[in-house]
Order: sequence, then C-alpha cells, then structure tokens
Amino acid sequence: DTGVSQNPRHKITKRGQNVTFRCDPISEHNRLYWYRQTLGQGPEFLTYFQNEAQLEKSRLLSDRFSAERPKGSFSTLEIQRTEQGDSAMYLCASSLEGFYGYTFGSGTRLTVV
Amino acid sequence: KNEVEQSPQNLTAQEGEFITINCSYSVGISALHWLQQHPGGGIVSLFMLSSGKKKHGRLIATINIQEKHSSLHITASHPRDSAVYICAVIHFGNEKLTFGTGTRLTIIP
Repeated sequence: DTGVSQNPRHKITKRGQNVTFRCDPISEHNRLYWYRQTLGQGPEFLTYFQNEAQLEKSRLLSDRFSAERPKGSFSTLEIQRTEQGDSAMYLCASSLEGFYGYTFGSGTRLTVV
Repeated sequence: KNEVEQSPQNLTAQEGEFITINCSYSVGISALHWLQQHPGGGIVSLFMLSSGKKKHGRLIATINIQEKHSSLHITASHPRDSAVYICAVIHFGNEKLTFGTGTRLTIIP
C-alpha cells in the first residue's frame, strides 16, 4: 500500500467553475476524512465517512460542497460554482475504526482565479 | 478561540540547538498527535500520544493529561527539521482531529 493518495496535487480554476478532487485511502482503513487548510492556519474539519456513510459534516461545508464515498473505498469532494474564498489546501486522511492513528495524503492545492 | 493552542507560533534557531514546542488544549482528549508539514503541504504523523512520553530518533513527545499540555522536543536540531509542526487532538466521543495553528520552525545552518 502506498499510503493515502490525492489527485490532483494542484488545481487552478476560474471562479464559477466546478472542481472535483479524489482521495484514495489506505485500503484497510474504513474511516476517511476531509480537511481544509488556508494559508497560515491549521487544517479545519470538513466531513468524514465510515465506510460509505457520511457521518458528520462541518458547517464549513456549504451547499456548494458535496462529498461521496460510494463503495467505501475512494472518496470525491466536489465544489460547485467555486469562489475565491475556496482557495485552500484540501487534505484527506484515513484511519481504522477503533484506532487513533491517522495517515494523511499530500493534499490538493486549489487556486480560484 | 482555538481549543488547541500552540507556542511559539514561529521559532528560529541555530543548528544544534534543543527545540521545544508546546501545545495546550482545553477539554479532555482520547489522543494527541504531533504532525509535521513541509512546504508543499503534505502532513506526516510524528507521534500519537495518550499518556507519558514517546521517542523516535531525535524527536521526543511528552503529554501531561492532568495539565492538558504536551511538548515536542527536537535534540541536535538540523536544517532539515525546518517545517511547520502541528498539534492535533481527538476529543472524547469524537472521531475528528482538532488542530492547532502550527509552529513554524526554521533551523539556520
């Protein structure tokens, strides 16, 4: 297993466009988390899945954001009608239920111009 | 107010110096993580603690549950240790990490 993989690494998009990011967790991990990190700040929680069920969403996750994990493996995070304030690093992490160890991906850096 | 406070926010030191980064949190936790983030964004987990002390190479992490405080120490610091170090906690009954704002460490040769 090569760890948590995120694609793309970088995305530049025009304001108003839709973007989709992908996260492939460690295969044995049934929990998957999305976090957002803006410049100079620590990451903030967006949402998490246990298997295919989305168990918690932050109020940061506006109606323009949607996340899925259709088969309990990889996950996608879509942002519709992007705004400049969406520019951030989007981090994915995975863990195994009952264990507190996390593995992070390298992140997707989104720039909205 | 962030539930996880780190100090200092920025730290510059000479190569070889002993480094200490502090983390305080306000409510009970199941576990605490120390993470390292290099430019480019990827986060690496250094330690996960729920009590006591852990050591890995030149890195040492301690936690005092009663005082709700943890420290990360780096001995014989090296320029390659330059990174942002982030403390993150898992609160009781919760699954997600709550992060501090990080400490930017720069080690000068």
